[in-house]
Amino acid sequence: GQQVMQIPQYQHVQEGEDFTTYCNSSTTLSNIQWYKQRPGGHPVFLIQLVKSGEVKKQKRLTFQFGEAKKNSSLHITATQTTDVGTYFCAVNNNDMRFGAGTRLTVKP
Amino acid sequence: KAGVTQTPRYLIKTRGQQVTLSCSPISGHRSVSWYQQTPGQGLQFLFEYFSETQRNKGNFPGRFSGRQFSNSRSEMNVSTLELGDSALYLCASSLTNGGWNIQYFGAGTRLSVL
Repeated sequence: GQQVMQIPQYQHVQEGEDFTTYCNSSTTLSNIQWYKQRPGGHPVFLIQLVKSGEVKKQKRLTFQFGEAKKNSSLHITATQTTDVGTYFCAVNNNDMRFGAGTRLTVKP
Repeated sequence: KAGVTQTPRYLIKTRGQQVTLSCSPISGHRSVSWYQQTPGQGLQFLFEYFSETQRNKGNFPGRFSGRQFSNSRSEMNVSTLELGDSALYLCASSLTNGGWNIQYFGAGTRLSVL
């Protein structure tokens, strides 16, 4: 299966600051999914991107799929303490591959 | 609808033993996937079952096996446990197989191998 690189591994922000995590693939992706895992919890689906250049918003979260469909990003505006957790991108060719995840901590 | 149910939630075993984990998918979901999550390796795909057939398999040794029953419930077995098998094992169900399907995860089984 194809690999997907996710950066950064950790991000610590002050509440109210913005946060971005990136996923990159060396091959063209058919789609990409994003999940969030709260501390002590399990991954929960956030969104799926399919089209080249697609941008989707969920309140303070903005998801983008690159024009070449090789990269994606998740941006959170004005982080809150409820945003803490690990954010994963996931791609599926023959099997599901998750990025390493970006662990977000928010200081109140 | 009830979510994905994994049992047991916690398990302690010793090296050399074997273990069986259970997963009941969301009603109507026919695909079940298993993942191993460790701090060092992240979320690693183990295998996927659909209609009682293993569709895909990750890069894990043969000690890791699974099966799916006609009601879509799935079990995962690890034989000859090693210390490195200590991890959170997550099960996820989806309506069908394929890359477009959303994965719904269970709470996981935390396995500790002593």
